[in-house]
Amino acid sequence: GDSVTQMEGPVTLSEEAFLTINCTYTATGYPSLFWYVQYPGEGLQLLLKATKADDKGSNKGFEATYRKETTSFHLEKGSVQVSDSAVYFCALRSYGNKLVFGAGTILRVKS
Amino acid sequence: GAGVSQSPSNKVTEKGKDVELRCDPISGHTALYWYRQSLGQGLEFLIYFQGNSAPDKSGLPSDRFSAERTGGSVSTLTIQRTQQEDSAVYLCASSLVSGGTNTEAFFGQGTRLTVV
Repeated sequence: GDSVTQMEGPVTLSEEAFLTINCTYTATGYPSLFWYVQYPGEGLQLLLKATKADDKGSNKGFEATYRKETTSFHLEKGSVQVSDSAVYFCALRSYGNKLVFGAGTILRVKS
Repeated sequence: GAGVSQSPSNKVTEKGKDVELRCDPISGHTALYWYRQSLGQGLEFLIYFQGNSAPDKSGLPSDRFSAERTGGSVSTLTIQRTQQEDSAVYLCASSLVSGGTNTEAFFGQGTRLTVV
């Protein structure tokens, strides 16, 4: 079945460091891809998305590019802030509209 | 309502009891999902509704779990004879369907279930 694999955490960075969280997927067809974020004590919210190959999703300084050839959707940010500390989930919408999530990656940013 | 509403927000129950969790999706959202998030784990898919029917219920862990949706709106997830391993946060999400494709999924705050 469809699946999402993302890098294990926690990832600990200093403020203003560069962030990459890897995400790869296995899916039938051409899924839409998403990054969701869960801030401490809050619910899941959509961070960014891409619906077709080579699309780049971006929001709040985060970016991810849909790479069909490597089945990847890595999340990047050039300069992280303490307020970015959260759990990040990579997800795909598979055939039949089911949303499949990765295990989540904890990001901790130190000042 | 403005967002996806789940109730109760917290539930503590004794092992062996039945529990019912409720989800009120965003008005007009025809797609509804249930997920389970255990401590330190990712999101485990449980069931997906399109309107009142459930085309995918492959994630329900056992026959103790069931869900229904009525009127294309409110959904309830029922867990019978609860076990300690059922302790988790149960999340509900809803989305619009546009052109046969679901748009962004909005999540509720979840119900934290503790089985003692």
